[in-house]
Amino acid sequence: EAQVTQNPRYLITVTGKKLTVTCSQNMNHEYMSWYRQDPGLGLRQIYYSMNVEVTDKGDVPEGYKVSRKEKRNFPLILESPSPNQTSLYFCASSLYSGGTEAFFGQGTRLTVV
Amino acid sequence: AQKVTQAQTEISVVEKEDVTLDCVYETRDTTYYLFWYKQPPSGELVFLIRRNSFDEQNEISGRYSWNFQKSTSSFNFTITASQVVDSAVYFCALRGNAGGTSYGKLTFGQGTILTVHP
Repeated sequence: EAQVTQNPRYLITVTGKKLTVTCSQNMNHEYMSWYRQDPGLGLRQIYYSMNVEVTDKGDVPEGYKVSRKEKRNFPLILESPSPNQTSLYFCASSLYSGGTEAFFGQGTRLTVV
Repeated sequence: AQKVTQAQTEISVVEKEDVTLDCVYETRDTTYYLFWYKQPPSGELVFLIRRNSFDEQNEISGRYSWNFQKSTSSFNFTITASQVVDSAVYFCALRGNAGGTSYGKLTFGQGTILTVHP
């Protein structure tokens, strides 16, 4: 089954404790990206990747890191999480950038206390 | 920078009413793509439709229809004879094409919460 898999689905952590949210897709898509969803703000793009070893900042990259060492994986790293990073995070992939629709993971609900 | 605005934060209708969700966008790219996604209460994001900037033909899919007007930078979504299962958050999104200033970026609107009452 074609899918984007995020882990974990739920995470409660403390300020400053490094964490990684994993994202994997099995569709051989070139393009992957991360978003955060906050009430009233919609989804905002954090980082995106056009292909392996090619990443770029989205609209809200501060406090986040990503890497794209393999085509299928695109982890989101929070080196020192803060409470303002409490949010719902989505990973997405699409065949390429431009006119192809994005397939989204199930979301990761992160709470930083 | 590109921008998507969904003016309606929340809409409440009674079943069988028609409802239109507005989407207005801004971009400097000459070629771009517009999308609508649905987020039901279960939380996943479901793709509904894609439209490219050089195709202004309107589209109908069952009870759903989309009206793309490049002249007014709008891409509105209409649900005819709404049903309770249509209750969800709906997002409009914009992505630039290769060579454009926003290539690679997918920008979403704030979302419209649609509640359909029985």
